[in-house]
Amino acid sequence: AQSVAQPEDQVNVAEGNPLTVKCTYSVSGNPYLFWYVQYPNRGLQFLLKYITGDNLVKGSYGFEAEFNKSQTSFHLKKPSALVSDSALYFCAVRDPTGGGNKLTFGTGTQLKVEL
Amino acid sequence: DAGITQSPRHKVTETGTPVTLRCHQTENHRYMYWYRQDPGHGLRLIHYSYGVKDTDKGEVSDGYSVSRSKTEDFLLTLESATSSQTSVYFCATVMGTDSYEQYFGPGTRLTVT
Repeated sequence: AQSVAQPEDQVNVAEGNPLTVKCTYSVSGNPYLFWYVQYPNRGLQFLLKYITGDNLVKGSYGFEAEFNKSQTSFHLKKPSALVSDSALYFCAVRDPTGGGNKLTFGTGTQLKVEL
Repeated sequence: DAGITQSPRHKVTETGTPVTLRCHQTENHRYMYWYRQDPGHGLRLIHYSYGVKDTDKGEVSDGYSVSRSKTEDFLLTLESATSSQTSVYFCATVMGTDSYEQYFGPGTRLTVT
């Protein structure tokens, strides 16, 4: 079965510094990978996805993610963090079997950007 | 914006009572999903639907049932609520036939006392 690991429960970074939120995955076949963000008391918002093609994927709000097949990783990055980026971030992988376009989510990483 | 609404947004109920949560979408999407979100677990799939009257179980389906009699509505029922079902419930859908990413509703916070 497919799975996603987010090894850090929380990441702290100073505003203006680059940020990285880590994600590793396990899935049979070609991975379809996603990042979502959740602000307090809100639903999840889609940030970006990797299906195929360039290993560096660009998404919303200046975020990007780097797909690394040999390391089975899909880390979320931003060159310069903002206080407003503080939120809960989820990585997800599509279930390649059984249809239904199902996703398996990681446990989430809380990002805190401080002045 | 996937045009998803959820109702109610907040509910407090007692153990043993039945509860139904509603997910409504206005854009004729085929796939709909119910998740629960709990600290330390992320989001876990309860049930999903791939069309009217076509549903299937997810990872944590015990104690839950669903129905989809119309394209726009996907109902989640807790037949006899338990305290372990206290959670935040999210509905999601996939937009279009060539998309894979899911789009989420605002959530329902359910407390079972």
